[in-house]
Amino acid sequence: KAGVTQTPRYLIKTRGQQVTLSCSPISGHRSVSWYQQTPGQGLQFLFEYFSETQRNKGNFPGRFSGRQFSNSRSEMNVSTLELGDSALYLCASSRTGEIANTEAFFGQGTRLTVV
Amino acid sequence: AQKITQTQPGMFVQEKEAVTLDCTYDTSDPSYGLFWYKQPSSGEMIFLIYQGSYDQQNATEGRYSLNFQKARKSANLVISASQLGDSAMYFCAMREAHNNNDMRFGAGTRLTVKP
Repeated sequence: KAGVTQTPRYLIKTRGQQVTLSCSPISGHRSVSWYQQTPGQGLQFLFEYFSETQRNKGNFPGRFSGRQFSNSRSEMNVSTLELGDSALYLCASSRTGEIANTEAFFGQGTRLTVV
Repeated sequence: AQKITQTQPGMFVQEKEAVTLDCTYDTSDPSYGLFWYKQPSSGEMIFLIYQGSYDQQNATEGRYSLNFQKARKSANLVISASQLGDSAMYFCAMREAHNNNDMRFGAGTRLTVKP
């Protein structure tokens, strides 16, 4: 059974550009969450999608957005990149909607560097 | 407000010995899940073990066990028979059923296994 796949693994972008990251969840999983990990702030929740709907959003500016497709694959987009957006972006998939009782499985992450 | 607290930034353990990584949490939600993840230097978050708030018994997965003390709001991870490959960052996390669906993480503990 394939795990969570995130592409690309590494990315270098210039300030002001935009970027799109992709996440393919485990087959049969309908919930996808995104997290940002930095040395200073640790792991922070970005947003969560379930059945193509954003159910929850963390405390990030509107430059961070996402979407989920009918096959549960998800993308997140960051526009007008800033140096502080450099981070490891992790995607997690969960089976269903009873969130508290459902394990989340993570991908290997996309390491974004903004120069 | 900090909901997950890991008070040990770094821990050392001798190979083949057991080690306990501490985690305390704060919630008023009666329904929640507690998780431990391992993050090696590659970046991937590897799911280790899960404990539900209504579970009567402590969770066990191979060499990993969770010492769940609900009244004290602690969920310590015990790793038995440590191996060199256990050296990594370890994160405690919580999901609450009736609040946001995001997973809140502690700051992590860096475990180093010495030969």
